[in-house]
Amino acid sequence: GQNIDQPTEMTATEGAIVQINCTYQTSGFNGLFWYQQHAGEAPTFLSYNVLDGLEEKGRFSSFLSRSKGYSYLLLKELQMKDSASYLCAVRDRTGGFKTIFGTGTRLFVKA
Amino acid sequence: EAQVTQNPRYLITVTGKKLTVTCSQNMNHEYMSWYRQDPGLGLRQIYYSMNVEVTDKGDVPEGYKVSRKEKRNFPLILESPSPNQTSLYFCASSAWDRGTDTQYFGPGTRLTVL
Repeated sequence: GQNIDQPTEMTATEGAIVQINCTYQTSGFNGLFWYQQHAGEAPTFLSYNVLDGLEEKGRFSSFLSRSKGYSYLLLKELQMKDSASYLCAVRDRTGGFKTIFGTGTRLFVKA
Repeated sequence: EAQVTQNPRYLITVTGKKLTVTCSQNMNHEYMSWYRQDPGLGLRQIYYSMNVEVTDKGDVPEGYKVSRKEKRNFPLILESPSPNQTSLYFCASSAWDRGTDTQYFGPGTRLTVL
């Protein structure tokens, strides 16, 4: 079956670094996404990893280890506007080409 | 401007009254999806389409229909809506380009079925 786990909530301080973990189980892995979603808005794309390693994009980095079924999103120099939900999602090519989302991690950034 | 549009943005209806939520993208993307988002359950894929005339079930397809007659449009049809279909719905499109796969979401449709 398919399963994605990520923490429900995290709190961090403005200017700090926070790491949001995601573990997944899928038989037909075909890429992992991270999205940011502010309350009442649509998700916006942050990153895509299909090979092992770290992808860096400004203040945001995403890491993937396919052998461990593990990814993390790293946010540096946190800003108040980073308070949002962060969604981990996996593309699964088993019997099709589905996209499965975790339930999201709500990040609170405090001053 | 590259975008995914959905209509309507808000809809209140009654049980059993057929409705259609439209979705359109202007990026020539092949892959399109519909999701519903419910508190505590996250985003769940309803249907997806790999290309014109190619559609497939996601994790929660019961009670929904879709069609993909043109590349840009992917309407979601609820033939006989029920209260458990009250939810926030998102349409999305994506394409593989230069080693990455970026999925763009529409603004969402908040549906209430009474």
